[in-house]
Amino acid sequence: DPKIIQKPKYLVAVTGSEKILICEQYLGHNAMYWYRQSAKKPLEFMFSYSYQKLMDNQTASSRFQPQSSKKNHLDLQITALKPDDSATYFCASSTGNYAEQFFGPGTRLTVL
Amino acid sequence: QQKVQQSPESLTVSEGAMASLNCTFSDGTSNNFRWYRQHSAKGLEVLVSIFSDGEKEEGRFTAHLNRANLHVSLHIREPQPSDSAVYLCAVKSGGSNYKLTFGKGTLLTVTP
Repeated sequence: DPKIIQKPKYLVAVTGSEKILICEQYLGHNAMYWYRQSAKKPLEFMFSYSYQKLMDNQTASSRFQPQSSKKNHLDLQITALKPDDSATYFCASSTGNYAEQFFGPGTRLTVL
Repeated sequence: QQKVQQSPESLTVSEGAMASLNCTFSDGTSNNFRWYRQHSAKGLEVLVSIFSDGEKEEGRFTAHLNRANLHVSLHIREPQPSDSAVYLCAVKSGGSNYKLTFGKGTLLTVTP
């Protein structure tokens, strides 16, 4: 059974629209993360949460808003979508700051 | 700002030959190093984690860390065609942040 679930697997959106990427983990972890992987770029850290509190934010744009309704959920809301937002978004989780981060299968977002 | 660079960009080895991948980092306070594997834009699989200078072995995968030289490497013993994938080096800087900084990856192809 998958331990980190990301939904949907693929997502196509039009410029200017808003989408929510879903992430749920069933590993009992306290920390959750979002990373982005764009073409030709390294995997890039976006946010980290610990016990549902924001710990690090490396995303310059306020269009990206994480939402944590439960300890094992960290969704990512993206507003006013742009073609440059096209990427695969990975959710990850860990037991804590120094622990191994386990990654979900990703959501591939395409903005037309 | 941590910078992580991997070399070579791509590597082809024959089945059974040793494969060696390199990673350099810029932040001397870094204290947490991981190698991940990614098959065809899928999720990441952690291979080996290392926290102190020296060597750490996990099955056929061995990481070597030399923090004075800002260098960590991965050696794959007896690689198989199923090991063909992108290998990613991830580094955590010192301090309380949760962020992992990734290199661009090395594409490994193992030929039969």
